[in-house]
Amino acid sequence: AQRVTQPEKLLSVFKGAPVELKCNYSYSGSPELFWYVQYSRQRLQLLLRHISRESIKGFTADLNKGETSFHLKKPFAQEEDSAMYYCALSDYNQGGKLIFGQGTELSVKP
Amino acid sequence: NAGVTQTPKFRVLKTGQSMTLLCAQDMNHEYMYWYRQDPGMGLRLIHYSVGEGTTAKGEVPDGYNVSRLKKQNFLLGLESAAPSQTSVYFCASSWTLGAGELFFGEGSRLTVL
Repeated sequence: AQRVTQPEKLLSVFKGAPVELKCNYSYSGSPELFWYVQYSRQRLQLLLRHISRESIKGFTADLNKGETSFHLKKPFAQEEDSAMYYCALSDYNQGGKLIFGQGTELSVKP
Repeated sequence: NAGVTQTPKFRVLKTGQSMTLLCAQDMNHEYMYWYRQDPGMGLRLIHYSVGEGTTAKGEVPDGYNVSRLKKQNFLLGLESAAPSQTSVYFCASSWTLGAGELFFGEGSRLTVL
């Protein structure tokens, strides 16, 4: 079955430290992967998608098909990055619906 | 520009009661979804719709029903609420099914006693 796993429930770092939020997936085929973010008291929103290969708010994510991973990285964390982050996979075997991981709460301390 | 609006935002029910959550979007999106969010479980798809008059089951459909009588509205119903349905419910909409961006509502927190 298609699956997205985020092994860390909580990741706590100090401001200025590098951040890596892990995401692993299982999928038969070429996956479409996304990162969504939910800031406190805000709606869940798209952060970035692997197909665009862009950097948003300093975050990047590279699809590693060999390791079936799509880790989210930022070289220098900021306090405003504190939020809940969800990795998601578009399952084309089921019409393209999004499958979300369990989520990782990022806490950036001053 | 309201985007996706969910009502109500909070509700407390007793076991066995029924209720309906309303989702409305003003972006003319074809696709609409209902997810539930539980600690440690992430977001799980309950039901979705690929257009007016259509609905389909997601990952966890049991105990819920949905209707999409109008393109802009997607209703989620609980006929006989159970404590296991205590959760935060999110509605979302999108232009496409899959690679497109999902636009989410603010969430509805439901507690079943």
